[in-house]
Amino acid sequence: QSALTQPASVSGSPGQSITISCTGTSSDVGAYDYVSWYQHHPGKAPKLMIYDVSNRPSGLSNRFSGSKSGNTASLTISGLQAEDEADYYCTSYTNSDTVIFGGGTKLTVL
Amino acid sequence: QVQLVQSGSELKKPGASVRVSCKASGYNFIPYSINWMRQAPGRGLEWLGYIRPSTGRPTYGRGFRGRFVFSLDTSVSTAYLQISSLEAGDTAVYFCARDRSYSAYDYWGQGTLVTVSS
Repeated sequence: QSALTQPASVSGSPGQSITISCTGTSSDVGAYDYVSWYQHHPGKAPKLMIYDVSNRPSGLSNRFSGSKSGNTASLTISGLQAEDEADYYCTSYTNSDTVIFGGGTKLTVL
Repeated sequence: QVQLVQSGSELKKPGASVRVSCKASGYNFIPYSINWMRQAPGRGLEWLGYIRPSTGRPTYGRGFRGRFVFSLDTSVSTAYLQISSLEAGDTAVYFCARDRSYSAYDYWGQGTLVTVSS
């Protein structure tokens, strides 16, 4: 299994919205509604931002939202803030009872 | 509060073995699988597999069967990752995480740096 496909980098200005895509196959992203998104600042533990495609953990800002269409999932961040600058990873459960990560996307807030 | 606390950094020579521990507290350990991930220098996150405390059954990701072994001591709510025949390519930060729902890792350990160098 290859990693899920994410853009290497995205950027946006404060206040803008950005979307990060995560493309898999009919064996993972397309097979289940078990896509999650993580924010990772270097040197820290990753943080769960979205799970089960579109659910936010309790207390997380509603500026973060997730969706899925076919084999592609997406994370949208609205009202970009400087502290959103980080690496973002998607994951998906697969039909082999395994989990696959995306390659990661570096978000730069200009 | 829920916490996963991992053991400290390790420096090992090629061919040696290492064991990383992940001690859980603040929740019922049994119902939630513990997943293991790693991040090599300059690389992305990689999934190693998981173990279910309810059954003790491990599941390994592709490429991580054989040298990587997951185990548990439920009496102390602790999961272990053992890596044998270490290679330079195993140099990475290793994370454990609790899974609330099929790759939804809501709590993570702080990470353990394993360095393999002669």
